[in-house]
Amino acid sequence: DAGVTQSPTHLIKTRGQQVTLRCSPKSGHDTVSWYQQALGQGPQFIFQYYEEEERQRGNFPDRFSGHQFPNYSSELNVNALLLGDSALYLCASSLRGLAGLTGELFFGEGSRLTVL
Amino acid sequence: SQELEQSPQSLIVQEGKNLTINCTSSKTLYGLYWYKQKYGEGLIFLMMLQKGGEEKSHEKITAKLDEKKQQSSLHITASQPSHAGIYLCGADGGFGYFGNEKLTFGTGTRLTIIP
Repeated sequence: DAGVTQSPTHLIKTRGQQVTLRCSPKSGHDTVSWYQQALGQGPQFIFQYYEEEERQRGNFPDRFSGHQFPNYSSELNVNALLLGDSALYLCASSLRGLAGLTGELFFGEGSRLTVL
Repeated sequence: SQELEQSPQSLIVQEGKNLTINCTSSKTLYGLYWYKQKYGEGLIFLMMLQKGGEEKSHEKITAKLDEKKQQSSLHITASQPSHAGIYLCGADGGFGYFGNEKLTFGTGTRLTIIP
């Protein structure tokens, strides 16, 4: 049973460009959350998708947007890239509202974005 | 907003020794997750604690949530090189039993094991 999978694993972009990152949740999970982890810091919550809608959002600008598909997979889009967007982007999946009961809140390996 | 402080920030331990990592919250914890991260890689789920006084163990790792639910500790017994990495605690932002799965993380504790 595959866990949370993310692609691509690494990518390099230049300032002003746009990037799309992808995430497939663990089988049986329906909720996807995205986090940004800068070097030496803990992950920071970007937003969460459930039933193809954004349900919660952290303190990130509108340049960060996302989408969830009917098969529960998700995309994170970042427009007008800045140098400060360089980070590891992590995807987490869960079964909506039940992580507190099951303890199942699992992360993928992440996508390492470098902005030059 | 909730803030988590982890201590120590880094730890160097000789193989075979025991160690403890602490996670202190500015607010009551309703769900506290512990993860391990290899440098630059994804987060590996270790344990989740929810009830005051709760204690869970997995192999040589034990995590506890204090009665007041504002502090958690992670204890490793007889450390091994495989325990090296960054340990992160994450607090669920919800107020109920089921949480909202929006985690606030500490900055992590970097653990190095010396053979």
